[in-house]
Amino acid sequence: GIQVEQSPPDLILQEGANSTLRCNFSDSVNNLQWFHQNPWGQLINLFYIPSGTKQNGRLSATTVATERYSLLYISSSQTTDSGVYFCAVETSGSRLTFGEGTQLTVNP
Amino acid sequence: EPEVTQTPSHQVTQMGQEVILRCVPISNHLYFYWYRQILGQKVEFLVSFYNNEISEKSEIFDDQFSVERPDGSNFTLKIRSTKLEDSAMYFCASSPPRGQPQHFGDGTRLSIL
Repeated sequence: GIQVEQSPPDLILQEGANSTLRCNFSDSVNNLQWFHQNPWGQLINLFYIPSGTKQNGRLSATTVATERYSLLYISSSQTTDSGVYFCAVETSGSRLTFGEGTQLTVNP
Repeated sequence: EPEVTQTPSHQVTQMGQEVILRCVPISNHLYFYWYRQILGQKVEFLVSFYNNEISEKSEIFDDQFSVERPDGSNFTLKIRSTKLEDSAMYFCASSPPRGQPQHFGDGTRLSIL
């Protein structure tokens, strides 16, 4: 099956800093989603981005489908950005395959 | 914005008992899914459901598990004879056509004692 690799596995920032999270995948995809899992365990849908670039406030994402990677940018980070960020992809089937996640800690 | 709702939010069950997790997908969605996340690990696909039948399942989804859409709104996951290793967060999701974004519920945290 498809492999999804996220980096870095852990990231510690000071409030106000910017960061880039990366997701590499091993095959072409029909769907790519970025999620934020908050401390209560909820999966918050950040972006549906099988290709191209999208922005939502301080967050933006870019997927280069031909090179099989996606990037999530967080600018001016806040303590509420802390949590685990997951990339998930769907190929020809219906399942989303998740990466291992990036654990982000933003310190005040 | 319409959302996927799951009940209960937390379920505690004795090992060997049966448990039913319930989900109400977004009303005009066609595909329904269950995922599982063991504490500290990544989210894993269990099963997808379309047109009143399973369309895909993972190797985790063995005979212990079953899914059902008993009416026009609910989608359930039944786990028979629960084991300690079934303790996890279970997420329900739904999507319009396949390949469109999947929308996740808040999850049910299942604890097997």
